Amino acid sequence: DGGITQSPKYLFRKEGQNVTLSCEQNLNHDAMYWYRQDPGQGLRLIYYSQIVNDFQKGDIAEGYSVSREKKESFPLTVTSAQKNPTAFYLCASSTDRGDYEQYFGPGTRLTVT
Amino acid sequence: DQQVKQNSPSLSVQEGRISILNCDYTNSMFDYFLWYKKYPAEGPTFLISISSIKDKNEDGRFTVFLNKSAKHLSLHIVPSQPGDSAVYFCAAVPFYNQGGKLIFGQGTELSVKP
Repeated sequence: DGGITQSPKYLFRKEGQNVTLSCEQNLNHDAMYWYRQDPGQGLRLIYYSQIVNDFQKGDIAEGYSVSREKKESFPLTVTSAQKNPTAFYLCASSTDRGDYEQYFGPGTRLTVT
Repeated sequence: DQQVKQNSPSLSVQEGRISILNCDYTNSMFDYFLWYKKYPAEGPTFLISISSIKDKNEDGRFTVFLNKSAKHLSLHIVPSQPGDSAVYFCAAVPFYNQGGKLIFGQGTELSVKP
């Protein structure tokens, strides 16, 4: 069964701690993306990667970091520099075929107190 | 600066009637538009899309209309079913298409009452 997995579903951290969110896909997609969703807002792009070992900042990259060492994996680290880290984080992937459709994982709800 | 806007945060419709969800955009440089459906605590799922060279695309109960002169698109669901209750996001793809980047609206929560 092809798809995108994100773990864990819920994550709790203390303020000042870095935390890494996992995203794995077995769709053989080249491109992967991280979004965050806040109440009443759309999805905002944090980082994206079109190919292994390369990634670009999205609209709200400050306080986040990513790596893309493998095609299947695109972990997101929420650092202590992110001022409002509590949010719902979504990972997505897409082909490079030009159909623009992105496939999303189930999301991780991060709560920082 | 919100380039893609969904000005209605919520919409309530009776089962069997038509649901019309609206989306406006400010940038003429969008090439392609998509609609996604999202249930609480889940990832969005793709619903339907439309290229800027078309003005209508239909898939079963779902039809998307694009009015380029008004910079407006709408999603029609006919007939609406209780299972359609979800948040609907429209998204746009810029012509310059940086890495397949999508620009999302804020979402509209649809509630279909039995």
